[in-house]
This record gives sequence, C-alpha cells and structure tokens, in this order.
Amino acid sequence: SAVISQKPSRDICQRGTSLTIQCQVDSQVTMMFWYRQQPGQSLTLIATANQGSEATYESGFVIDKFPISRPNLTFSTLTVSNMSPEDSSIYLCSVGTRESGNTIYFGEGSWLTVV
Amino acid sequence: GQQVMQIPQYQHVQEGEDFTTYCNSSTTLSNIQWYKQRPGGHPVFLIQLVKSGEVKKQKRLTFQFGEAKKNSSLHITATQTTDVGTYFCAGYTSGTYKYIFGTGTRLKVLA
Repeated sequence: SAVISQKPSRDICQRGTSLTIQCQVDSQVTMMFWYRQQPGQSLTLIATANQGSEATYESGFVIDKFPISRPNLTFSTLTVSNMSPEDSSIYLCSVGTRESGNTIYFGEGSWLTVV
Repeated sequence: GQQVMQIPQYQHVQEGEDFTTYCNSSTTLSNIQWYKQRPGGHPVFLIQLVKSGEVKKQKRLTFQFGEAKKNSSLHITATQTTDVGTYFCAGYTSGTYKYIFGTGTRLKVLA
C-alpha cells in the first residue's frame, strides 16, 4: 500500500484563523479523499480531491470553508478556513488506486483543536 | 443520500468471548471494506469484500458480505485485549467513486 504523510500531525489553532493540511503520497494514486472525524464520531467525507480541477464536495461542505488543491497525483492540501471550535476534529487524507481494487488507505491524520 | 449503519454502537466483552458487528447499507454496494481504529490512531484497512455472499477469514476475524450486497458482518472469535478499538465498515457504490463509512462499533475487551 502507499505511504501517506500528513502535516501537521497536531495543531492548536486560534479561532478565526485558517490552517492548511498537506497530504503527500509516495506513489501516484487515482483517488484522494479528505475526511473529517469529530470526537467520538465516524468518518465523514468532506470532498474528493480531483487532480488539476476543483474538488467535488459532499453535502454540507463548501469550497469557501474547505478549499482543496490537488496539483498532481501525489499531493493534496486541505485548508480549514476561519476556524471555530466546532472545527476541532481529526482531518484524514485517504488514497486509493484502481490497481489496488479501489481499496483506500489513510494517513495518520491531523488532529486540530480550535480554541 | 446513501447511509451505512452499524450495530451495536458499543460492545463490552470479557476476554475470550466472541464479538460481532453488523453493517447495513441503504443501497446496494459494489464492495465493502472494513477498518480498525485504535484509540488515538487512524483507521487501518483490514479487508475488502467484493462478491455476493463472500466470506473471508483473517486468523480470528471472519468477514461476510451479504447475498444482496447491502449488509456485512465482522465476527471476532475469542477476543483479546489487542482487539480493542472501533471497527468501521465502508461501502463503495460503483459510479459514485467514493466510500461512505458506517457509524462504527466501539469494542472494549475486559481482561
């Protein structure tokens, strides 16, 4: 499986600020997704990161709040904008390839606390 | 939209007892994947099921995909303290190009 690196692994952020999370994969992947996991909850898909074009957002998530970039097949960023305490979550990058039967694997996550 | 539910939400078992979690999708799935998340960790891939009625085993873990491809189960035989964590299923529907995660089952194993 691909090796997925996420940065930062943890951060404490001030209300009203923005933070960009990076996801770097050691090989080219077909699919890249961003998930959010609020404390004690399941994983909720934020968006599919599309290479070279705008991300596809799920219901309840908008580009102004969660801008995503994916300039190539190995890298993506997620920005959490104008943060509030409700944004305190784990943000997870996941990737998959058709060669792996569409199995998706996760990075170690970015644990954000907004104060 | 598509929903994936899991039951039970929580399960406490004595070490050595068996454990089962059930996953039910509101729509027919192309495949289903199972993950384990330890406290403080990230989801780790366990297995993928693709065929109707498929059964796969990994040591003490048995995974099953329903005939209608709308439900799945994970059974652990003789639980150990290392089995502690939350187990998630994730359903994939062809054409959607995304996985929807189940609500998860949190397992605690009492020594």
